[in-house]
Order: sequence, then structure tokens, then C-alpha cells
Amino acid sequence: DSGVTQTPKHLITATGQRVTLRCSPRSGDLSVYWYQQSLDQGLQFLIQYYNGEERAKGNILERFSAQQFPDLHSELNLSSLELGDSALYFCASSGGRVTNYGYTFGSGTRLTVV
Amino acid sequence: EDQVTQSPEALRLQEGESSSLNCSYTVSGLRGLFWYRQDPGKGPEFLFTLYSAGEEKEKERLKATLTKKESFLHITAPKPEDSATYLCAVQGRGTSYGKLTFGQGTILTVHP
Repeated sequence: DSGVTQTPKHLITATGQRVTLRCSPRSGDLSVYWYQQSLDQGLQFLIQYYNGEERAKGNILERFSAQQFPDLHSELNLSSLELGDSALYFCASSGGRVTNYGYTFGSGTRLTVV
Repeated sequence: EDQVTQSPEALRLQEGESSSLNCSYTVSGLRGLFWYRQDPGKGPEFLFTLYSAGEEKEKERLKATLTKKESFLHITAPKPEDSATYLCAVQGRGTSYGKLTFGQGTILTVHP
């Protein structure tokens, strides 16, 4: 157990629907990162939050949004889902705004859009 | 923009057969280079961070080295349990906060 908890582990939904992925960071970590991993794209950075504030944005689609709550857990919202959104979504956490010691990743949420 | 290229894409070894994985990178001022191991269906597991050219780090059968343009992950006398995907990532000084840029990974299979 890495200490980063992601729920649900698996999600199957239809095109056009909206889903929410949840992440609880490792105890004491203030930064949360979301990554998407697909077979052809590898791990792609989506967004980072630090202590409730958005800090960095990557290749995140406008249909996707995220937030970090006062208790530091984070949610990634995916809407108007398309078949191409099927992927593994990972959350990671670290102690500070900039990490020199690597992230700690969760076990991921596998999203299948049918 | 930071870029990471890993080679080979896949590597098959016999147990005990040592080899190396390559990670070539371009970055605007390296803050750190990271190696991760990922097992199927699981999240990446942190292995090493390297900060400057010439630096080396070891953990069991793994040794990571760094030059100004690439990093190598040397695997000495591998065992079947070393089979996994190995990911390399960089963080540049121009990068927004903690963002890491990952390579596509090398899939390592070690046969008994």
C-alpha cells in the first residue's frame, strides 16, 4: 500500500456520461497530481494541485476538471465521455510544491467508455 | 518542451543475464531525473532520483547512472521478479512546479 488511495478501481460507463474519480493523498502530502495512461500515449500529466490551489496544467481537455478540497483529497471530473477517454487514471502525491524525491502513485482507476 | 525517449521498447533476458535500459532526454535545465518501476495494473513505484551528471545510485540489482543527455538503468543478474515496465521521467527547471515528463517505458521480461 503506497498510502495514496484511489477510488473506484474500475469504472465502466457509456459515451456522453460524466464520472468522478477520487484520490486521497499520502498523509502529510500537500501536492496532488493527476496523470492519464493509455497504451499509445504513455503517462500524460493532466493537472497539479497544491494545498487546494491549482499549480500546473498539462494536456487536460476542457471536458475534464479537477479540484482539491480542504482535507486535501482531490477529485477528477470527466464529462461528455468519448471512447478515446478509456485509460488508466493515476493520482500521485508529494510533500511540497516541487518534488525532488519522486511522487507516490496510487494504484489507479481503470476507466472504460463503451 | 521536455522530452524523454526510452529504449529498447521491450527487452527479454534470461535469468542472470545482465543488461542496460536507456533513457535519453532533452530538458531546459535538469532539476531531476527519476526512474520508476510499474507492474501490470498497478501504479508506478519510485526507484531513484538523479540530479547531476556523473551521479550513480544503486538498489539491489539495479544501478542508475546519469550523463548530460541520458541515463542508464543497469540490471545485474536479473531475476524473474524484476520483470516489469521501467519508466524514466524528467523534471526541468523551467517546468511548472512538480510536473514530471515520462518516457514510454521499457517492458522487461526475465525468463527463468
